[in-house]
Amino acid sequence: AQKITQTQPGMFVQEKEAVTLDCTYDTSDQSYGLFWYKQPSSGEMIFLIYQGSYDEQNATEGRYSLNFQKARKSANLVISASQLGDSAMYFCAMREGVYNNDMRFGAGTRLTVKP
Amino acid sequence: KAGVTQTPRYLIKTRGQQVTLSCSPISGHRSVSWYQQTPGQGLQFLFEYFSETQRNKGNFPGRFSGRQFSNSRSEMNVSTLELGDSALYLCASSRHNEASGSYEQYFGPGTRLTVT
Repeated sequence: AQKITQTQPGMFVQEKEAVTLDCTYDTSDQSYGLFWYKQPSSGEMIFLIYQGSYDEQNATEGRYSLNFQKARKSANLVISASQLGDSAMYFCAMREGVYNNDMRFGAGTRLTVKP
Repeated sequence: KAGVTQTPRYLIKTRGQQVTLSCSPISGHRSVSWYQQTPGQGLQFLFEYFSETQRNKGNFPGRFSGRQFSNSRSEMNVSTLELGDSALYLCASSRHNEASGSYEQYFGPGTRLTVT
């Protein structure tokens, strides 16, 4: 069964506007962590933001925020004030349990920021 | 603080050969995970090492193996290479902050392996 689903293969956003990248997940564990990574064309995976399943507040890191809706099992990434350098692939990932590093990744969303 | 380093960055091998990739984690991180990324299969978990022991393993054949040294550096080995092993191999080091409950996992730049 697909653990992480990213339904948007590609997204376009105008520079300086906000954009939401969707991610839904499937788990029966009570303890899990959700991650978003950015992968530019260079190939390196850049950590953006982390949300633990017990965290009651949505995680934020600068221009990135994670809209965590536990009951709906969604963990959407919101990028505010998009910049041209935000153009990249974005991956949502989940790690189940506390010490399990078997992270499952979604298929990714390719974001293109237009000037 | 230095990031995760991987060597070599690029590698070309022939079918049937074997290859060893190296990963040095962030200082203080004791867990190292390996992933394979291909256009067709996306990102797939290979295995994870913690304190020199394999703690988790993905669904890959036995040709893929790894180890971790006492300084947390890790190596990944692929024997009898096949064309389908051509991929970007990513290493990640991680740390669980038990005090805050947060979790950190950072990736290296990857090794791009081409099998001809």
